[in-house]
Order: sequence, then C-alpha cells, then structure tokens
Amino acid sequence: DAGITQSPRHKVTETGTPVTLRCHQTENHRYMYWYRQDPGHGLRLIHYSYGVKDTDKGEVSDGYSVSRSKTEDFLLTLESATSSQTSVYFCAISPTMDQPQHFGDGTRLSIL
Amino acid sequence: AQKITQTQPGMFVQEKEAVTLDCTYDTSDQSYGLFWYKQPSSGEMIFLIYQGSYDEQNATEGRYSLNFQKARKSANLVISASQLGDSAMYFCAMREVNTNAGKSTFGDGTTLTVKP
Repeated sequence: DAGITQSPRHKVTETGTPVTLRCHQTENHRYMYWYRQDPGHGLRLIHYSYGVKDTDKGEVSDGYSVSRSKTEDFLLTLESATSSQTSVYFCAISPTMDQPQHFGDGTRLSIL
Repeated sequence: AQKITQTQPGMFVQEKEAVTLDCTYDTSDQSYGLFWYKQPSSGEMIFLIYQGSYDEQNATEGRYSLNFQKARKSANLVISASQLGDSAMYFCAMREVNTNAGKSTFGDGTTLTVKP
C-alpha cells in the first residue's frame, strides 16, 4: 500500500454537526486530494492540495473546507453536515501531476 | 473542462476470454494522462494502468493493455484471459498534467462480471 491512512473509517452523525475527516500519508507526496463517491457516480473531486497551505476547490466543494498545515496531513471538514453529504470519502496522493494517484481505503460517512 | 465518458454501465465476460471496456475523453489540453482503476466489492481503489498523451505506444501491464487512439480521444482498457477475480467496477480517469495540480476527472464506471 502507498502509505495512506484515512480516519475514521466509519462515522455516523447527525445533521448540523461538524465533522472532520483526516488523511495521513507517509510518502511525502506533494499532491493530496479529497473525493466523494456516490452510487451511480464515479469519484468527484471536493478539494485538493498542491503543497502545505496550498489548496483549491474541486467540482463539488460547497459545504466543505480543507486544511493542510503539514505535508503529511490533509483534513476535510464539513462545517454543518447535511444528509446530502452522506457518502464514501476517499483521499488520494501523488508525487507529481503525471503519476497515478494512490487512494486510501475510504471513509463511510452517514448523516442522519 | 475535462470529461470522461464510460458508456457501458455493465459488462459480462466468460472466464478466460478477453474483454474491452470503453472510455472516451474530452479535453482541450495537449498534455494529459489517462488512467484505469479497479474497485472490487471490498471498496478499495486499485491503480491498473497509465497512458501519457505523448506516449506513442499503447501501455501494457500484465493482462491489462490500454488501446489509446488519440485522434478519436478514446482510451479503452483491454483485459486478456479474464479471471473470476476481475469481477469489479472499473473507472477511467484523466489528469491534465500542466494545470490545476493534476486534478483528475473520473468516469461513472463499468461493472464487469466474469462468468465461470
């Protein structure tokens, strides 16, 4: 495996609560990404990072924020969770823009 | 904007036969990479094969090959000698290399079922 750990792996929470998902890598890769996967869809990019404190929005960023204060950690925060954010969330890393992304095992998030 | 189209929601193949999974893409960039990933029922995303836009030869990795036709903007995955363990969801993805930190666009996937 590419040295990516997502935590928690499963979480159930209530609408309106804040939620933070963590992605931790031991590969020292520059690029990190957060995706969500929903039934009938491929992976959709939420936010990405191209270095410490360098982040940008993906195609489905509304309702999400991210932070990257260290190379190894990329945090995804749902400030006030909604049921539409129930999904499987994947973190991915890559050393350069033209090499494959390697994925964590995913976090299954349920918002009731 | 990037777009990936996988037109086959589901495919069936007999064990030991070859199968082709279709992928077409749209981009205005000249420099990009094309990737295929496998997602078994256990849920992890497994990288299979990569093709760069400037690569003149089709990529191969064991039983996987990528049929790259640049003018047609297609990047089909060919799996030879299918095995029962190949049953999974397969995603085609594209990264634009020189812009936007190489963020990827994924297709909606093809579910492959290998019959014994």
